Amino acid sequence: SQQGEEDPQALSIQEGENATMNCSYKTSINNLQWYRQNSGRGLVHLILIRSNEREKHSGRLRVTLDTSKKSSSLLITASRAADTASYFCATDEANFGNEKLTFGTGTRLTIIP
Amino acid sequence: DTGVSQDPRHKITKRGQNVTFRCDPISEHNRLYWYRQTLGQGPEFLTYFQNEAQLEKSRLLSDRFSAERPKGSFSTLEIQRTEQGDSAMYLCASSPYSSGNTIYFGEGSWLTVV
Repeated sequence: SQQGEEDPQALSIQEGENATMNCSYKTSINNLQWYRQNSGRGLVHLILIRSNEREKHSGRLRVTLDTSKKSSSLLITASRAADTASYFCATDEANFGNEKLTFGTGTRLTIIP
Repeated sequence: DTGVSQDPRHKITKRGQNVTFRCDPISEHNRLYWYRQTLGQGPEFLTYFQNEAQLEKSRLLSDRFSAERPKGSFSTLEIQRTEQGDSAMYLCASSPYSSGNTIYFGEGSWLTVV
């Protein structure tokens, strides 16, 4: 079963604009990760944020985590055509670690050149 | 570090046939995972290994599915008597042993049951 939900399900923006996608989850977690998946390909790890962190940056990516609301957001700044992909958040369960990741349903991002 | 390797990348099989997928994890990664992903959905956990020990299995893994990691290195996922509902991408991933580590995925093996 899917743990969380990404919002929106689909997003189309012009190249150069910022893209924001959100993730909600249900149980207490140790970590939350964001992955990218190009059509028909495997998942590429983008960033991991721990439950005691509130914000993390990696290049053009900014992730926030609000454990009180059980939600996270991924911001991609200055989007590029190559950012077109599906984006998934994934959570583990507190006290269990990375034995089992539960993924959301994904946001399909389309960057219009 | 050559990444997680999966074979075959694509498999078309007739209903009722058996199929086997192989996964070679990143070397020295103790943990190996199998996930299944259907179109338009996120990956769903199937099972994971700590070295050669299979430590958790999802209820999604019916008795037609069996996974092995005989020497704690590569792993195989076999599906017996395939059904059309088994059509999906089967993803393998690996990670070092310890919580909080990044899990690295392979490119996946697409299965189409006709």
